[in-house]
Amino acid sequence: DAGVIQSPRHEVTEMGQEVTLRCKPISGHDYLFWYRQTMMRGLELLIYFNNNVPIDDSGMPEDRFSAKMPNASFSTLKIQPSEPRDSAVYFCASSLGTGGTNEKLFFGSGTQLSVL
Amino acid sequence: AQSVTQPDIHITVSEGASLELRCNYSYGATPYLFWYVQSPGQGLQLLLKYFSGDTLVQGIKGFEAEFKRSQSSFNLRKPSVHWSDAAEYFCAVAIHGSSNTGKLIFGQGTTLQVKP
Repeated sequence: DAGVIQSPRHEVTEMGQEVTLRCKPISGHDYLFWYRQTMMRGLELLIYFNNNVPIDDSGMPEDRFSAKMPNASFSTLKIQPSEPRDSAVYFCASSLGTGGTNEKLFFGSGTQLSVL
Repeated sequence: AQSVTQPDIHITVSEGASLELRCNYSYGATPYLFWYVQSPGQGLQLLLKYFSGDTLVQGIKGFEAEFKRSQSSFNLRKPSVHWSDAAEYFCAVAIHGSSNTGKLIFGQGTTLQVKP
Protein backbone atom coordinates (compact mmCIF):
# COMPACT_ATOMS: atom_id res chain seq x y z
CA ASP A 1 0.00 0.00 0.00
CA ALA A 2 1.26 3.47 -0.86
CA GLY A 3 0.14 4.91 2.45
CA VAL A 4 -1.74 8.16 2.92
CA ILE A 5 -1.11 10.41 -0.05
CA GLN A 6 -1.33 14.18 0.21
CA SER A 7 -1.00 16.79 -2.47
CA PRO A 8 0.53 19.17 -3.07
CA ARG A 9 3.63 18.80 -0.87
CA HIS A 10 4.17 22.54 -0.92
CA GLU A 11 1.76 25.37 -1.66
CA VAL A 12 2.63 29.03 -1.80
CA THR A 13 -0.21 31.45 -2.34
CA GLU A 14 -1.15 35.04 -1.78
CA MET A 15 -3.49 36.27 0.88
CA GLY A 16 -7.09 36.13 -0.24
CA GLN A 17 -6.65 33.25 -2.63
CA GLU A 18 -8.45 29.95 -2.33
CA VAL A 19 -6.35 26.96 -1.31
CA THR A 20 -7.34 23.31 -1.70
CA LEU A 21 -5.43 20.51 -0.05
CA ARG A 22 -6.03 16.93 -1.07
CA CYS A 23 -5.78 13.59 0.65
CA LYS A 24 -6.12 9.97 -0.37
CA PRO A 25 -6.42 7.69 2.67
CA ILE A 26 -5.26 4.11 2.88
CA SER A 27 -7.75 1.83 1.18
CA GLY A 28 -10.12 0.22 3.66
CA HIS A 29 -9.61 2.77 6.41
CA ASP A 30 -12.88 4.05 7.86
CA TYR A 31 -11.57 7.21 9.53
CA LEU A 32 -9.88 10.24 8.05
CA PHE A 33 -8.39 13.10 10.03
CA TRP A 34 -7.07 16.53 9.15
CA TYR A 35 -4.43 17.99 11.48
CA ARG A 36 -2.59 21.30 11.39
CA GLN A 37 0.92 21.74 12.75
CA THR A 38 2.42 25.11 13.70
CA MET A 39 5.29 26.12 15.93
CA MET A 40 3.00 28.08 18.20
CA ARG A 41 0.14 25.62 18.62
CA GLY A 42 1.71 22.26 17.81
CA LEU A 43 -0.52 19.59 16.28
CA GLU A 44 -4.22 20.39 16.26
CA LEU A 45 -7.06 18.20 15.09
CA LEU A 46 -9.21 20.17 12.67
CA ILE A 47 -11.86 17.68 11.62
CA TYR A 48 -12.39 13.98 11.21
CA PHE A 49 -14.65 11.77 9.13
CA ASN A 50 -16.05 8.30 9.66
CA ASN A 51 -17.26 6.49 6.55
CA ASN A 52 -17.14 9.79 4.63
CA VAL A 53 -19.33 11.61 7.16
CA PRO A 54 -17.91 14.51 9.18
CA ILE A 55 -18.08 13.56 12.84
CA ASP A 56 -16.37 16.41 14.65
CA ASP A 57 -15.35 19.71 13.11
CA SER A 58 -14.91 21.57 16.37
CA GLY A 59 -11.26 22.14 15.60
CA MET A 60 -11.89 24.01 12.37
CA PRO A 61 -10.66 27.51 13.17
CA GLU A 62 -13.33 29.50 11.35
CA ASP A 63 -15.75 29.52 8.46
CA ARG A 64 -12.99 30.11 5.98
CA PHE A 65 -12.08 26.46 6.45
CA SER A 66 -14.15 23.65 4.99
CA ALA A 67 -13.55 19.96 4.42
CA LYS A 68 -15.28 17.36 2.33
CA MET A 69 -15.04 13.67 1.75
CA PRO A 70 -17.09 12.83 -1.35
CA ASN A 71 -16.00 9.19 -1.32
CA ALA A 72 -13.93 6.72 0.66
CA SER A 73 -10.77 7.45 -1.27
CA PHE A 74 -10.62 11.23 -1.36
CA SER A 75 -10.89 14.23 0.91
CA THR A 76 -10.22 17.94 0.53
CA LEU A 77 -9.52 20.74 2.94
CA LYS A 78 -10.28 24.15 1.53
CA ILE A 79 -9.36 27.59 2.83
CA GLN A 80 -11.18 30.52 1.27
CA PRO A 81 -9.98 33.21 1.55
CA SER A 82 -6.54 32.30 2.84
CA GLU A 83 -4.65 34.46 5.33
CA PRO A 84 -0.98 34.57 6.37
CA ARG A 85 -1.85 33.06 9.77
CA ASP A 86 -3.03 29.92 7.96
CA SER A 87 0.57 29.14 7.08
CA ALA A 88 1.32 25.72 8.57
CA VAL A 89 1.85 22.09 7.71
CA TYR A 90 -1.44 20.30 7.17
CA PHE A 91 -1.50 16.57 7.75
CA CYS A 92 -4.04 14.04 6.71
CA ALA A 93 -4.23 10.73 8.58
CA SER A 94 -6.38 7.63 8.35
CA SER A 95 -7.13 4.67 10.54
CA LEU A 96 -9.13 1.46 10.51
CA GLY A 97 -11.41 2.58 13.30
CA THR A 98 -12.26 -0.88 14.52
CA GLY A 99 -12.73 0.34 18.06
CA GLY A 100 -10.15 -2.12 19.29
CA THR A 101 -6.67 -1.68 20.65
CA ASN A 102 -5.05 -2.27 17.31
CA GLU A 103 -5.97 1.15 15.98
CA LYS A 104 -3.31 3.58 15.02
CA LEU A 105 -3.08 6.61 12.81
CA PHE A 106 -1.25 6.53 9.52
CA PHE A 107 -0.09 9.99 8.54
CA GLY A 108 0.61 11.45 5.15
CA SER A 109 3.74 13.49 4.52
CA GLY A 110 1.86 16.74 4.89
CA THR A 111 1.30 19.87 2.83
CA GLN A 112 3.48 22.84 3.69
CA LEU A 113 1.27 25.88 3.14
CA SER A 114 2.70 29.38 2.95
CA VAL A 115 0.32 32.31 2.58
CA LEU A 116 2.10 35.53 1.67
CA ALA B 1 -9.60 19.26 30.11
CA GLN B 2 -7.19 16.74 28.80
CA SER B 3 -3.66 17.92 28.14
CA VAL B 4 -0.23 16.59 27.42
CA THR B 5 3.03 18.20 28.50
CA GLN B 6 6.45 17.42 27.17
CA PRO B 7 8.78 19.41 29.43
CA ASP B 8 11.84 19.14 27.20
CA ILE B 9 11.67 21.04 23.94
CA HIS B 10 15.09 19.93 22.78
CA ILE B 11 17.41 17.12 23.92
CA THR B 12 20.89 16.22 22.71
CA VAL B 13 22.45 12.84 23.44
CA SER B 14 25.53 11.06 22.20
CA GLU B 15 25.16 8.06 19.95
CA GLY B 16 25.09 4.93 22.04
CA ALA B 17 23.88 6.72 25.15
CA SER B 18 20.56 6.01 26.79
CA LEU B 19 17.55 8.22 26.21
CA GLU B 20 14.50 9.21 28.19
CA LEU B 21 11.87 11.61 26.89
CA ARG B 22 9.37 12.85 29.40
CA CYS B 23 5.62 13.08 29.01
CA ASN B 24 3.01 14.09 31.55
CA TYR B 25 -0.69 14.04 30.94
CA SER B 26 -3.78 15.44 32.56
CA TYR B 27 -6.79 13.18 32.34
CA GLY B 28 -9.59 12.08 34.61
CA ALA B 29 -9.63 8.40 33.80
CA THR B 30 -7.25 5.77 32.53
CA PRO B 31 -5.86 7.28 29.37
CA TYR B 32 -4.97 5.85 26.04
CA LEU B 33 -1.40 7.03 25.50
CA PHE B 34 0.81 7.12 22.45
CA TRP B 35 4.25 8.09 21.29
CA TYR B 36 4.76 9.17 17.69
CA VAL B 37 7.96 10.09 15.87
CA GLN B 38 8.28 12.60 13.05
CA SER B 39 11.32 12.65 10.80
CA PRO B 40 12.08 15.87 8.90
CA GLY B 41 9.63 16.46 6.08
CA GLN B 42 7.58 13.41 6.99
CA GLY B 43 4.33 12.60 8.70
CA LEU B 44 4.12 11.05 12.13
CA GLN B 45 4.72 7.37 12.73
CA LEU B 46 3.44 5.45 15.72
CA LEU B 47 6.18 4.13 18.00
CA LEU B 48 4.04 2.53 20.67
CA LYS B 49 0.80 2.81 22.58
CA TYR B 50 -0.66 2.00 25.96
CA PHE B 51 -4.30 1.07 26.45
CA SER B 52 -4.31 -1.23 29.48
CA GLY B 53 -2.47 -4.12 31.08
CA ASP B 54 1.29 -4.23 31.46
CA THR B 55 2.50 -0.73 32.20
CA LEU B 56 5.75 -1.24 30.32
CA VAL B 57 5.09 -1.31 26.61
CA GLN B 58 7.48 -2.16 23.84
CA GLY B 59 7.47 -0.38 20.54
CA ILE B 60 9.26 -0.32 17.25
CA LYS B 61 12.89 0.64 16.74
CA GLY B 62 13.87 -0.53 20.22
CA PHE B 63 11.78 2.03 22.09
CA GLU B 64 9.78 1.35 25.22
CA ALA B 65 7.60 3.45 27.50
CA GLU B 66 6.32 3.05 31.02
CA PHE B 67 2.92 4.21 32.23
CA LYS B 68 3.01 5.48 35.81
CA ARG B 69 -0.43 6.41 37.02
CA SER B 70 0.85 7.88 40.30
CA GLN B 71 3.00 10.33 38.38
CA SER B 72 0.66 10.86 35.42
CA SER B 73 3.61 10.07 33.21
CA PHE B 74 4.37 8.04 30.12
CA ASN B 75 8.08 8.46 29.51
CA LEU B 76 9.76 7.08 26.42
CA ARG B 77 13.09 5.28 26.72
CA LYS B 78 15.73 3.68 24.61
CA PRO B 79 18.85 2.04 26.04
CA SER B 80 21.18 2.96 23.18
CA VAL B 81 20.45 5.76 20.74
CA HIS B 82 21.35 5.54 17.07
CA TRP B 83 22.04 8.52 14.82
CA SER B 84 18.91 7.65 12.85
CA ASP B 85 16.79 8.31 15.94
CA ALA B 86 17.27 12.06 15.49
CA ALA B 87 13.74 13.35 14.97
CA GLU B 88 10.86 15.01 16.75
CA TYR B 89 8.91 12.94 19.24
CA PHE B 90 5.31 13.52 20.22
CA CYS B 91 3.41 12.16 23.16
CA ALA B 92 -0.37 12.03 22.76
CA VAL B 93 -3.49 11.09 24.71
CA ALA B 94 -6.79 9.95 23.23
CA ILE B 95 -9.67 12.27 24.01
CA HIS B 96 -12.10 10.88 26.55
CA GLY B 97 -15.21 9.40 25.04
CA SER B 98 -13.79 9.20 21.62
CA SER B 99 -14.98 6.12 19.84
CA ASN B 100 -11.79 6.09 17.88
CA THR B 101 -8.32 6.50 19.21
CA GLY B 102 -7.41 8.77 16.38
CA LYS B 103 -8.88 11.80 18.10
CA LEU B 104 -5.70 12.69 19.91
CA ILE B 105 -4.29 15.58 21.89
CA PHE B 106 -0.60 15.96 21.17
CA GLY B 107 2.15 17.42 23.29
CA GLN B 108 4.33 20.16 21.88
CA GLY B 109 7.02 17.69 20.89
CA THR B 110 10.64 17.06 21.85
CA THR B 111 13.36 17.44 19.26
CA LEU B 112 16.10 14.85 19.66
CA GLN B 113 19.56 15.57 18.35
CA VAL B 114 22.15 12.77 18.32
CA LYS B 115 25.84 13.61 18.52
CA PRO B 116 28.31 11.26 16.82
